[in-house]
Amino acid sequence: DGGITQSPKYLFRKEGQNVTLSCEQNLNHDAMYWYRQDPGQGLRLIYYSQIVNDFQKGDIAEGYSVSREKKESFPLTVTSAQKNPTAFYLCASSAGSGSYEQYFGPGTRLTVT
Amino acid sequence: AQSVTQPDIHITVSEGASLELRCNYSYGATPYLFWYVQSPGQGLQLLLKYFSGDTLVQGIKGFEAEFKRSQSSFNLRKPSVHWSDAAEYFCAVGATGRRALTFGSGTRLQVQP
Repeated sequence: DGGITQSPKYLFRKEGQNVTLSCEQNLNHDAMYWYRQDPGQGLRLIYYSQIVNDFQKGDIAEGYSVSREKKESFPLTVTSAQKNPTAFYLCASSAGSGSYEQYFGPGTRLTVT
Repeated sequence: AQSVTQPDIHITVSEGASLELRCNYSYGATPYLFWYVQSPGQGLQLLLKYFSGDTLVQGIKGFEAEFKRSQSSFNLRKPSVHWSDAAEYFCAVGATGRRALTFGSGTRLQVQP
């Protein structure tokens, strides 16, 4: 079955540590996205990538970094510079040119203490 | 920039009753509109989408939505709610040239037996 996988489902880290969240898709989609979800705030865009080796900052990119070395993979690193990293992180993908509908992974809940 | 407002944070309906969830958007041109549903701790599932054409769109699970340009609205409806519809619902808008979607803050639906 085609889809988007995110791992792990739950992640715990100590303050000051960087952590990388995995996102893999086998839908052959060109574009991939990272969103952050906090209670009562909907989804906010962190980074997105429309093609391999290219990505753009979203609305809340500070304290995060990404890479897009392969079409199917778009990992997100939450750095120690992110002031409030505890949140639910969602990865999504879309087919790209002419397609706006996005398909989402199951999410990773990150807790930093 | 586009924006989305979901005026109702929380709605409770009885099983079998009809449902309407409100969504208002702000965007200068014709938007691409979506409704997604999210169960607790899960990713988002696409319910339906509007790109152009017929302003009444049908989706999965018996949901429909109507695009009203004059009111800048895209309300989600279902004639008879089932207990399994309890979840959080997000309206989203896409704009030409910006692949990432802008989401509303969500409406949590509770279904009473």
